[in-house]
Amino acid sequence: DVKVTQSSRYLVKRTGEKVFLECVQDMDHENMFWYRQDPGLGLRLIYFSYDVKMKEKGDIPEGYSVSREKKERFSLILESASTNQTSMYLCASRSGLGDEQFFGPGTRLTVL
Amino acid sequence: GQNIDQPTEMTATEGAIVQINCTYQTSGFNGLFWYQQHAGEAPTFLSYNVLDGLEEKGRFSSFLSRSKGYSYLLLKELQMKDSASYLCAVSGAGSYQLTFGKGTKLSVIP
Repeated sequence: DVKVTQSSRYLVKRTGEKVFLECVQDMDHENMFWYRQDPGLGLRLIYFSYDVKMKEKGDIPEGYSVSREKKERFSLILESASTNQTSMYLCASRSGLGDEQFFGPGTRLTVL
Repeated sequence: GQNIDQPTEMTATEGAIVQINCTYQTSGFNGLFWYQQHAGEAPTFLSYNVLDGLEEKGRFSSFLSRSKGYSYLLLKELQMKDSASYLCAVSGAGSYQLTFGKGTKLSVIP
């Protein structure tokens, strides 16, 4: 059974804290993605990675960075959390162009 | 850039048929996906169309017209558990990214 896992389902942090969201996939996929999902705005791409140590900015990268040191792991970093980063964060992975994208269960982050 | 439009909300009756439309404008095209997302959960894959025509999978079917930039998801014999958001997503040419529409929230009523 293929899996994308995320380190936390729920997370509460304070403004200014550095936050790490971890994502691991066991499907040997090259491509991994971080999205945030907000009511009325849908899924928006933050960053993606198509190979180890490679990263590309998505539609809303400001305030975020990423790390991909190993193929199976893709981390999203909030350097200094702000209240407008309160959201549901979804990690996903995908193999080829014609293949489906698999999502992790999501992390609901609240920044106070 | 890419633009995807789908209705925000729909309501349908248990046992009925509902069609959820999606129109898109993309710079290049490499397939269209439909995902289902129940409240508080991650999206799960429903269907993939890359050629024109209808793909049927049980109670769910998906149609694509590339010349019209149009797709629909057809749900038959609706069940209460089909109440969810349905996301249309497009893969651009040569790109591994998917661009998602904002989703259609379907409510199935008795």
